[in-house]
Amino acid sequence: GAVVSQHPSRVICKSGTSVKIECRSLDFQATTMFWYRQFPKQSLMLMATSNEGSKATYEQGVEKDKFLINHASLTLSTLTVTSAHPEDSSFYICSATPGQGWYEQYFGPGTRLTVT
Amino acid sequence: DAKTTQPPSMDCAEGRAANLPCNHSTISGNEYVYWYRQIHSQGPQYIIHGLKNNETNEMASLIITEDRKSSTLILPHATLRDTAVYYCIVIGTDSWGKLQFGAGTQVVVTP
Repeated sequence: GAVVSQHPSRVICKSGTSVKIECRSLDFQATTMFWYRQFPKQSLMLMATSNEGSKATYEQGVEKDKFLINHASLTLSTLTVTSAHPEDSSFYICSATPGQGWYEQYFGPGTRLTVT
Repeated sequence: DAKTTQPPSMDCAEGRAANLPCNHSTISGNEYVYWYRQIHSQGPQYIIHGLKNNETNEMASLIITEDRKSSTLILPHATLRDTAVYYCIVIGTDSWGKLQFGAGTQVVVTP
């Protein structure tokens, strides 16, 4: 199957700093990528939809100025958590679609963010 | 998108079939049933999907009732590596791929 990678897999940062998470589709071009957040013992929550070359669309309640998403190429989307706080500590997961079948979503392994 | 109801947990013996139920009584005609699973601390993995016919692939079988109000995911020979949270998701073609995950079913396969 198609492979999606995320980097870093784990990151610890201090409160007030910004953290960038990369999501890459390794063997296919992804016209659309999605970003999810998952708190401990909870389900995944969709944060935003990222389309190559255009602005991301955010789900209700997700601050677009805090969670900056860039999808500059067909294989890379980045999520930047700006001015991170302890409550932003979570498991961040991306997914990507090849474009021909929106239902074919391939998920990355996730990034564990801890803000101290 | 139609909502789904799944049991919170179930146990299964290794080597036996695991039958995971999902209710989606408000499903509409253009909505598909998708199954994903998430092994602890990993990203979700696609398992199978269907519209109205039963489907089978190398991982599982999906049985959808004739009225489409419920479905069952069948793992034919469960292994310890099948221990995961299984999510049943109903999604229509107008949802642009936005998956809304519910609580899922925690499946524990025991030796």
